[in-house]
Amino acid sequence: SQQGEEDPQALSIQEGENATMNCSYKTSINNLQWYRQNSGRGLVHLILIRSNEREKHSGRLRVTLDTSKKSSSLLITASRAADTASYFCGFNNAGNMLTFGGGTRLMVKP
Amino acid sequence: GAVVSQHPSWVICKSGTSVKIECRSLDFQATTMFWYRQFPKQSLMLMATSNEGSKATYEQGVEKDKFLINHASLTLSTLTVTSAHPEDSSFYICSAKSGTVYEQYFGPGTRLTVT
Repeated sequence: SQQGEEDPQALSIQEGENATMNCSYKTSINNLQWYRQNSGRGLVHLILIRSNEREKHSGRLRVTLDTSKKSSSLLITASRAADTASYFCGFNNAGNMLTFGGGTRLMVKP
Repeated sequence: GAVVSQHPSWVICKSGTSVKIECRSLDFQATTMFWYRQFPKQSLMLMATSNEGSKATYEQGVEKDKFLINHASLTLSTLTVTSAHPEDSSFYICSAKSGTVYEQYFGPGTRLTVT
């Protein structure tokens, strides 16, 4: 069953603006991962943050993790039209499996 | 590195027939593979987890006799949808991981349409 939630469900911004999406979960986790999915395609791994980390950067991406609030955020800075996609958080608890949030559909208008 | 392929990318079949979807890790050994199902504008729902050489572990509510999973080698897993019905129409995505590494690498997905 899905144990993660993301908000907003949809986000529309202009090119150059920043996009922030949030993920909340219910169980304790080992790590949390963010993925991007272009329409009709598979998922592309963006970034992994471990439970003992609070912030991580990769290019224009910044991920934060607050284990006390069981939440994470993904910030995309200086967005581009090519960033248009759905973004999912997935988290590992004790086992191998990833549990995904509901996803945020991001549209970046040129 | 870490490329996963799926074949076919899309398939249309008639109700009552069976369809096999292949998932291959191209440049690493996938000790564990996962099969997901995704409906339009929804998240991925895990169907089953398979470890090489072992029987797959199915999630609650997934019929193991309908969705046959085989993970016979470290680079190949197959999902066979048996006696397909229109309600099985969906986007099926596999992912693979190696050993204790947390990251999963996803295939491009297979669009199944049952008429």
